[in-house]
Amino acid sequence: EIVLTQSPGTLALSPGERATLSCRASQSVSSNYLAWYQQKPGQAPRLLIYDAVSRATGIPDTFSGSGSGTDFSLTISRLEPEDFAAYYCQQYGTSPFTFGGGTKVEI
Amino acid sequence: EVQVLESGGGLVQPGGSLRLSCAASGFTFSDNAMSWVRQAPGKGLEWVSVISGSGGHTYHADSVKGRFTISRDNSRDTLYLQMNSLRAEDTAIYYCAKARTSSRFSALDYWGHGTLVTVSS
Repeated sequence: EIVLTQSPGTLALSPGERATLSCRASQSVSSNYLAWYQQKPGQAPRLLIYDAVSRATGIPDTFSGSGSGTDFSLTISRLEPEDFAAYYCQQYGTSPFTFGGGTKVEI
Repeated sequence: EVQVLESGGGLVQPGGSLRLSCAASGFTFSDNAMSWVRQAPGKGLEWVSVISGSGGHTYHADSVKGRFTISRDNSRDTLYLQMNSLRAEDTAIYYCAKARTSSRFSALDYWGHGTLVTVSS
């Protein structure tokens, strides 16, 4: 199984700052099939990025994904108050389709 | 508007069974793969199962293989998860999620609100 390691576990930033989240895979992610999700307390996850670099419908361009192979990143160029949440990466190129442990972005 | 709505959660004893359902609307159900993802209280997300749009291909996580079965009825626009031999560690919110394409190898673009399964005596 592909293990996804997200870092840091918690990121303390202020509104307006830039956030960079990392997701490292234990082996290469097939076809760069990697997604990023945002989850707020008490809510279902929301798809932000798919196929490593493509923004999902309705996602603002302050969110961007990059990377390939085993190293991926999610960047939030300028944090808005509503962006403080937990973020998860997931690979769906090789079964089982594993999630990372998450990064919490807090004020 | 795309909607997926889970039902069937509840309290069950260890060793028992439960069947979750997910009613879909707002899209052509057979055009999309579907998944189940769970989240234990206070923990991260754990992928459980996926089924292709036609229903002909499925995958399950090792932690549930042989105990859980994903299936779908495209005539009823409904996804299922049959859960047998339940254990305390299966306690979680179970989310139904729509994949972006008919392939199992797709990100999940719409999620339900989840249904809580509690396994306890």
